[in-house]
Amino acid sequence: DGGITQSPKYLFRKEGQNVTLSCEQNLNHDAMYWYRQDPGQGLRLIYYSQIVNDFQKGDIAEGYSVSREKKESFPLTVTSAQKNPTAFYLCASSIVGQVVNTEAFFGQGTRLTVV
Amino acid sequence: QKEVEQDPGPLSVPEGAIVSLNCTYSNSAFQYFMWYRQYSRKGPELLMYTYSSGNKEDGRFTAQVDKSSKYISLFIRDSQPSDSATYLCAMSYSSASKIIFGSGTRLSIRP
Repeated sequence: DGGITQSPKYLFRKEGQNVTLSCEQNLNHDAMYWYRQDPGQGLRLIYYSQIVNDFQKGDIAEGYSVSREKKESFPLTVTSAQKNPTAFYLCASSIVGQVVNTEAFFGQGTRLTVV
Repeated sequence: QKEVEQDPGPLSVPEGAIVSLNCTYSNSAFQYFMWYRQYSRKGPELLMYTYSSGNKEDGRFTAQVDKSSKYISLFIRDSQPSDSATYLCAMSYSSASKIIFGSGTRLSIRP
């Protein structure tokens, strides 16, 4: 079945550590996104990529880094520079360049907690 | 000012009621309008998608876009307890641009 897989589902990080969240899709989508969701704030865009080896900062990129070496994969690293990393992280993908279809498909999310 | 504004709720209605969920936006360049449903601790799933103005109906759900007022709505008829979720509106300028989400409205349908 086609879809987006995020792992792990739950992640605990000690302060000062970097952690990497995985996102893989087999939908053959060009665009991939990382969002952060906090209670009462909806989804905020961290990074997005529309093509392999290229990505752009979203609204809250500070303290995060990404790579897009393969079309299927868009891992997110939460660095120690991110002061408040505890949140629910969502990865999404979509078709780019088709007039009638901009829907994004989401993974099931990773809940990151700093301990 | 946020580009997309959405009342966070919570909104609680009895089963069978008509539900109206709304978003306003500030940029008239938005062309694509979407509604997502998100159950607790899950990723959002696309409910409805509309290009430009007008209405779109899918079963018990109707999406409306009023570009002159920069206002979009989602109506749910004959609401069911299984409709209890957070509903997010989303918009984009073009098929190649990033998607911008509202903060979500938490909806509860009482049996």
